[in-house]
Amino acid sequence: KNQVEQSPQSLIILEGKNCTLQCNYTVSPFSNLRWYKQDTGRGPVSLTIMTFSENTKSNGRYTATLDADTKQSSLHITASQLSDSASYICVVTSYGGSQGNLIFGKGTKLSVKP
Amino acid sequence: GAGVSQTPSNKVTEKGKYVELRCDPISGHTALYWYRQSLGQGPEFLIYFQGTGAADDSGLPNDRFFAVRPEGSVSTLKIQRTERGDSAVYLCASSYDPGVNEQFFGPGTRLTVL
Repeated sequence: KNQVEQSPQSLIILEGKNCTLQCNYTVSPFSNLRWYKQDTGRGPVSLTIMTFSENTKSNGRYTATLDADTKQSSLHITASQLSDSASYICVVTSYGGSQGNLIFGKGTKLSVKP
Repeated sequence: GAGVSQTPSNKVTEKGKYVELRCDPISGHTALYWYRQSLGQGPEFLIYFQGTGAADDSGLPNDRFFAVRPEGSVSTLKIQRTERGDSAVYLCASSYDPGVNEQFFGPGTRLTVL
């Protein structure tokens, strides 16, 4: 069964600190993996996208990694800011199935405290 | 407009009533997706349109749910005989083309069934 598991479920850190969010997936065949940021009451916004051949992608203070062999991804946030408080959702797209059927993780809720 | 818009932003209805939720995708985007997101969960796929046709409606939970996109742009998600379990945020997303292209999400419609 295609699944995307994220950990931790929630995380509280102090402003300025770094953190790493994890995503494990059992999706096959694999097309790409995205990390989305979802602010409360808003729709998700894409941070990074990685295909099978890419193992790291950066977007400002956000750096995503992908290990296609172990089917793991991480999102590292550097020098966190209060505005980083949001849910971070890992999404995997599979080839072969419906093009509309992306597999979403449940997200990690990050709270950055002053 | 610059992004995906959804109306209404909030909808409160009584059990058994009929509701319509509207999505205006980004101009020129051929693919349109509907998702349902419950509190603390990731988005759950409902239906995907390529142009005017529903390419995949396998995520619709039952025959009370229906969606249309008659002119290949605006889409309406229709829910008949609403139940309390239908309460959720309904997200719409669009992309220029299905597959690896990024999906851009709207802010969602929060549906509450009393």
